[in-house]
Amino acid sequence: TQLLEQSPQFLSIQEGENLTVYCNSSSVFSSLQWYRQEPGEGPVLLVTVVTGGEVKKLKRLTFQFGDARKDSSLHITAAQPGDTGLYLCAGLATGTASKLTFGTGTRLQVTL
Amino acid sequence: GAVVSQHPSRVICKSGTSVKIECRSLDFQATTMFWYRQFPKQSLMLMATSNEGSKATYEQGVEKDKFLINHASLTLSTLTVTSAHPEDSSFYICSARAGRRERETQYFGPGTRLLVL
Repeated sequence: TQLLEQSPQFLSIQEGENLTVYCNSSSVFSSLQWYRQEPGEGPVLLVTVVTGGEVKKLKRLTFQFGDARKDSSLHITAAQPGDTGLYLCAGLATGTASKLTFGTGTRLQVTL
Repeated sequence: GAVVSQHPSRVICKSGTSVKIECRSLDFQATTMFWYRQFPKQSLMLMATSNEGSKATYEQGVEKDKFLINHASLTLSTLTVTSAHPEDSSFYICSARAGRRERETQYFGPGTRLLVL
């Protein structure tokens, strides 16, 4: 069973601060995705990374896939209240019959 | 982007009754659909995978006779929670994928909140 541990579990920061969320596993993934989920809604895909060492930027969000494709990070610059939500990483491992494994989640709260 | 809908968005039922949740892909044909369950303040846990026209594959620990999945068409999958009990109260989310290839994008529905009294 592939486990994806996210840290921190909960983060409360003020507007304008920077933060990094980590997603770690002992398993290798062929690709890794990051989602954001708001209360009472389904998760929304932010990015997919597929190459070890890959870095992708989405406005103030920077995503990195570890060289060994076992871990990933999400860095948010100058956080805004609109960034509040549950951030989930999800990995697609080889040989798992096409199933996504979701991480444990990081709940972010950004206050004014 | 592709749209996946779920109906109903919320349902309250009495213990012992059955509840059916629909998942529809609105603008594409979904060869594969997935059903997840999410308890409060937790992540998504995969319950089962269904391919159109074949029986669903359930994850370990998920009772197939309790959570009936039907994927009879390329745009509709249903999850029926039979003889629901309070411990079945949860947020149920479906996702749909156009093909069977691993790297094709899964599109998630908005979720259905089930409360069993």
